[in-house]
Amino acid sequence: GNSVTQMEGPVTLSEEAFLTINCTYTATGYPSLFWYVQYPGEGLQLLLKATKADDKGSNKGFEATYRKETTSFHLEKGSVQVSDSAVYFCALSEAGNQFYFGTGTSLTVIP
Amino acid sequence: DSGVTQTPKHLITATGQRVTLRCSPRSGDLSVYWYQQSLDQGLQFLIQYYNGEERAKGNILERFSAQQFPDLHSELNLSSLELGDSALYFCASSVRGSYNSPLHFGNGTRLTVT
Repeated sequence: GNSVTQMEGPVTLSEEAFLTINCTYTATGYPSLFWYVQYPGEGLQLLLKATKADDKGSNKGFEATYRKETTSFHLEKGSVQVSDSAVYFCALSEAGNQFYFGTGTSLTVIP
Repeated sequence: DSGVTQTPKHLITATGQRVTLRCSPRSGDLSVYWYQQSLDQGLQFLIQYYNGEERAKGNILERFSAQQFPDLHSELNLSSLELGDSALYFCASSVRGSYNSPLHFGNGTRLTVT
């Protein structure tokens, strides 16, 4: 079956540090992959997506590359800001538009 | 602003009661999804509708039901409420036709059962 596994949190970083949040997936076919971000008191917002192997999604300084050989979609940012503090969810979608979410990784950035 | 509207934002009710949560999808989106988010269980998929028809069911309890109306808005009905039903309930919508289409989430309804 399909599933997404994210690194456990919480993650605490100092401002301007490098961020990596690991995400691996299991899928029966060729999924699309997504990262969502949830700020306190809000719903999930699409951060970036990639629809096929070797695609790189990017937005607001965040990047993730769809790696079919390692079934991974790790989220990275070169220099985090306090405003990046949020919960990050990795997700996949396959034919039929079924979405599978990871458990979320909480990030806190301290000044 | 995602364009997905959920009402009410907060709901406090007692055990055994019934409530209705409402969702208006983004303009043009035909598919609506409901999710439950709790601290211990993460984001749980409940049910999906497409253009008025049920398309997929997840971990939805028999006490819960949903429907999507001709104008595409959706309602999630929760009955015989228990303390454990306290959670954030999210609605999301998407344009069906491609699994590349992302979900767009509303800001959720926070349900507290006392």
